[in-house]
Amino acid sequence: GQQLNQSPQSMFIQEGEDVSMNCTSSSIFNTWLWYKQDPGEGPVLLIALYKAGELTSNGRLTAQFGITRKDSFLNISASIPSDVGIYFCAGGSNFGNEKLTFGTGTRLTIIP
Amino acid sequence: NAGVTQTPKFRVLKTGQSMTLLCAQDMNHEYMYWYRQDPGMGLRLIHYSVGEGTTAKGEVPDGYNVSRLKKQNFLLGLESAAPSQTSVYFCASSYPLGTGIRHEQYFGPGTRLTVT
Repeated sequence: GQQLNQSPQSMFIQEGEDVSMNCTSSSIFNTWLWYKQDPGEGPVLLIALYKAGELTSNGRLTAQFGITRKDSFLNISASIPSDVGIYFCAGGSNFGNEKLTFGTGTRLTIIP
Repeated sequence: NAGVTQTPKFRVLKTGQSMTLLCAQDMNHEYMYWYRQDPGMGLRLIHYSVGEGTTAKGEVPDGYNVSRLKKQNFLLGLESAAPSQTSVYFCASSYPLGTGIRHEQYFGPGTRLTVT
């Protein structure tokens, strides 16, 4: 099945740094979602985007729905230790609209 | 409001044994899903349901069966477990009826299954 291309695959940063990651697709999506998964837990929805060009924030997190509808970006400002985990993007289409297509994940590690 | 719950949290099976994983949601969601997550493979959809009494195959349905007899519950069955089914299984639900919000899936905490 199709998976979205998510980059980078992993990031090693120091506390306080800003983080950027992105997700790209060969197909157009009507919805972009960003999830975070802590070790041993299920994914948790962070941000949902519904319009091309939309920029939405949730605390220190900001996500954008790309103008082409084929990409999305997630930024985390001033990272803290609890930001550690795996971040997944997901795209939803109005065709076959009950399913999501997931990215391969970006693993974020904070170096002490 | 418990959200999505999964039972059991951990299970070890021997090859050939059967088991049922239970997922329950209290958000009145129409859609429910079963995924498996393996290292380096991301989330892969096994089966899903768009309403009570309906089920459909996902990306990796072989070796699994599902049932949705009640709107709030979605069962995943393994009739004859194989070592290749060792994985972490996640249930998710979405789409409160009467809203247009179909795509926001909410996940349970997972079931860690080992087949020896």
